[in-house]
Amino acid sequence: DTEVTQTPKHLVMGMTNKKSLKCEQHMGHRAMYWYKQKAKKPPELMFVYSYEKLSINESVPSRFSPECPNSSLLNLHLHALQPEDSALYLCASAGRSGATDTQYFGPGTRLTVL
Amino acid sequence: GQQLNQSPQSMFIQEGEDVSMNCTSSSIFNTWLWYKQDPGEGPVLLIALYKAGELTSNGRLTAQFGITRKDSFLNISASIPSDVGIYFCAGHAGGTSYGKLTFGQGTILTVHP
Repeated sequence: DTEVTQTPKHLVMGMTNKKSLKCEQHMGHRAMYWYKQKAKKPPELMFVYSYEKLSINESVPSRFSPECPNSSLLNLHLHALQPEDSALYLCASAGRSGATDTQYFGPGTRLTVL
Repeated sequence: GQQLNQSPQSMFIQEGEDVSMNCTSSSIFNTWLWYKQDPGEGPVLLIALYKAGELTSNGRLTAQFGITRKDSFLNISASIPSDVGIYFCAGHAGGTSYGKLTFGQGTILTVHP
């Protein structure tokens, strides 16, 4: 099973709202990732968690706040977003058998900021 | 950041034709991955390559890890309408990079019935 699930599928929020994106994997992977993707562009890495610890923050604005409650779950908390933050947000996981080179993506959350 | 050179950027083909796309890099990679993405969905892993020279098939798809470790290609044989989508290559440099991938810009494939 190589399934990563994400909720919600779609999210519309105002610039003053607070919302959260959720991601779950049950493959025993030790690394989890958040990406942002604009239309017809490759995914852009935002955050990497390894063994539930934040390993990489790609200079992401503080209005995006990641959280890894346990080895299977990854959240992305959103606050005071801007319209330019509208995008497809992808979660991925990797790391079965110790390797982190092969990432499996979830279906994504389509975020629209009004 | 670094990106892979993926070509072509787009392809318009007739159903039944074969397709070839490739990625090149100025740096060496230890792993090459090929993904397909449908509109509004996440990328789906098609083929993973782990050794220089490796040739791997997945149904009508065949991919190779270049001998120099700086390139990879993906071939699709006898294309069908459901092959439509964006294909991304991605490379992993290895080491303590926590799995950071470098992506190509994507190849947009359109298949005419």
